[in-house]
Amino acid sequence: NAGVTQTPKFQVLKTGQSMTLQCAQDMNHEYMSWYRQDPGMGLRLIHYSVGAGITDQGEVPNGYNVSRSTTEDFPLRLLSAAPSQTSVYFCASRGYNSPLHFGNGTRLTVT
Amino acid sequence: AQTVTQSQPEMSVQEAETVTLSCTYDTSESDYYLFWYKQPPSRQMILVIRQEAYKQQNATENRFSVNFQKAAKSFSLKISDSQLGDAAMYFCAYRSPFGGSQGNLIFGKGTKLSVKP
Repeated sequence: NAGVTQTPKFQVLKTGQSMTLQCAQDMNHEYMSWYRQDPGMGLRLIHYSVGAGITDQGEVPNGYNVSRSTTEDFPLRLLSAAPSQTSVYFCASRGYNSPLHFGNGTRLTVT
Repeated sequence: AQTVTQSQPEMSVQEAETVTLSCTYDTSESDYYLFWYKQPPSRQMILVIRQEAYKQQNATENRFSVNFQKAAKSFSLKISDSQLGDAAMYFCAYRSPFGGSQGNLIFGKGTKLSVKP
């Protein structure tokens, strides 16, 4: 069972470039979310989805877009990368009344 | 809005000793879930223990146990017989039992635990 798969594991971007962080889960979970982790800040919610076709903003959504066309996939798009988006990004999913399952994270550096 | 506070940015424990990590939270809800996650240097987020607020009995998972004080809104993690592999960042987290935005996990800022041999 693969669980939550995130790609890539590492990425370096230049300011202004765009990219998509991929996230897929094979547990048929309705709920999926994206967090960013910064030193001393814990994990902060960027966007989340409670099912295919439904997305909403979290605590720090600016500069990020998401879509949920299928139950399995929840990509995170950076439209124009900024140094402030340098962070570690986690995708996570859960079923009803179950704990959150995390991907292994993506370390993104924006220069 | 709910908040989670971990007041100890860093903690240290001697191998084989016991350590307690603190967590407090603020909520007006009567039912909710609380979690402790471990993040070793590998960056992986690992669920350590989970507590449902309606359960009075404290959750236990092997060497890990919690002291859940609902009235005080406190949820501390006790690690017994500490091992070198316990060295990690530990996050306390809260979740409402409801759906939508209330179902999001809210994290504390974490406690970095070092284990001395």
